[in-house]
Amino acid sequence: DAKTTQPNSMESNEEEPVHLPCNHSTISGTDYIHWYRQLPSQGPEYVIHGLTSNVNNRMASLAIAEDRKSSTLILHRATLRDAAVYYCILRSNAGGTSYGKLTFGQGTILTVHP
Amino acid sequence: EAGVAQSPRYKIIEKRQSVAFWCNPISGHATLYWYQQILGQGPKLLIQFQNNGVVDDSQLPKDRFSAERLKGVDSTLKIQPAKLEDSAVYLCASSAIKGRNTGELFFGEGSRLTVL
Repeated sequence: DAKTTQPNSMESNEEEPVHLPCNHSTISGTDYIHWYRQLPSQGPEYVIHGLTSNVNNRMASLAIAEDRKSSTLILHRATLRDAAVYYCILRSNAGGTSYGKLTFGQGTILTVHP
Repeated sequence: EAGVAQSPRYKIIEKRQSVAFWCNPISGHATLYWYQQILGQGPKLLIQFQNNGVVDDSQLPKDRFSAERLKGVDSTLKIQPAKLEDSAVYLCASSAIKGRNTGELFFGEGSRLTVL
């Protein structure tokens, strides 16, 4: 499985933007970039995903580097409710046993200060 | 729309005992996943079902873990006999898109197992 590298932790202040980086230098052409987050004592929840172009939804924006070797999840105005572990995951669209598999790493613990 | 339902939420057992967890996915979701999450780590996929067939169980410790999804709806994950290292949260997830990797996974709240 293609691997991702994320900082162990990051901090932010409430109502400020947050940029969560992810490196995936071994990404293949068939890998989609997915982000999930996990609030305390809850299961992970989907945030956003993309392939090549930048993506926006109501929760966040995803900026993907032109060479696709890195990406950044952007929370435009952090709230206390955004404090969570954020996972950057590569999801393969190739055939074989890795098809569709979602493999979580350690993620980034985001702390939001009031 | 109801989410993924899991039970029990908490379970404490002695080592070498058995335990079973139940999951009811979102209605109509063809794909069901069981993940194990040890404290401080990201979730690890144990098994993936497509309807009632197994797609991937490469990381399921088959000497003690078993899972089934009869009728392609709800699923049961069993551990027998349990070991101390099985203490974890067991997460069930489901997704609607058959086979496509862009299908969003919906997770339940998990079942927390403590093995003493």
